[in-house]
Amino acid sequence: QITLKESGPTLVKPTQTLTLTCTFSGFSLSTSGVGVGWIRQPPGKALEWLALIYWNDDKRYSPSLKSRLTITKDTSKNQVVLTMTNMDPVDTATYYCAHGTGATIDYWGQGTLVTVSS
Amino acid sequence: QTVVTQEPSFSVSPGGTVTLTCGLSSGSVSTSYYPSWYQQTPGQAPRTLIYSTNTRSSGVPDRFSGSILGNKAALTITGAQADDESDYYCVLYMGSGINWVFGGGTKLTVL
Repeated sequence: QITLKESGPTLVKPTQTLTLTCTFSGFSLSTSGVGVGWIRQPPGKALEWLALIYWNDDKRYSPSLKSRLTITKDTSKNQVVLTMTNMDPVDTATYYCAHGTGATIDYWGQGTLVTVSS
Repeated sequence: QTVVTQEPSFSVSPGGTVTLTCGLSSGSVSTSYYPSWYQQTPGQAPRTLIYSTNTRSSGVPDRFSGSILGNKAALTITGAQADDESDYYCVLYMGSGINWVFGGGTKLTVL
């Protein structure tokens, strides 16, 4: 059974750096074709893909946010970490991590709400 | 800038059939974009319904089906039920570099 769970701060101040951790089970991020990604959803708005890291350490980023994002993995800990710099109130959202296989996002975490406010 | 388009809202009567679509601001959607569909109810994480155009995710009833209709991807719900009332998102795979782009979602009302 594949499960993913996001963790991190619920409140960050403007200009700070956000660090979110996705801890997963039921699969290995060393398996060919497997990736873990991040998607966010501002309150009342649509989903937005942010970043993805594949089993071979190939990293993909949303073009609009690429300069602010870094995604890394720790295969031994079954964790993927996303950092987003220079946080702004418009970055207030629920952040989801998800399991991907090839071209498909298939399993989702429960999400974690991050509020950006001074 | 690639924009994935969806109807903002749709309504269907209980027992009826509805088709939601997913297009591109420029160009046509084909199976090469591996369109997938997700259902989301308020306060919940998205649930994967369909991937690779027409493959149902495990546990998804067969009244949900995916296809390509003309130049768009489509999600058809046959025999709509009250608990199908949700937001539906499509995602297109853009390939190397960008990976995925989400549509703006369709709010489906069953009444």
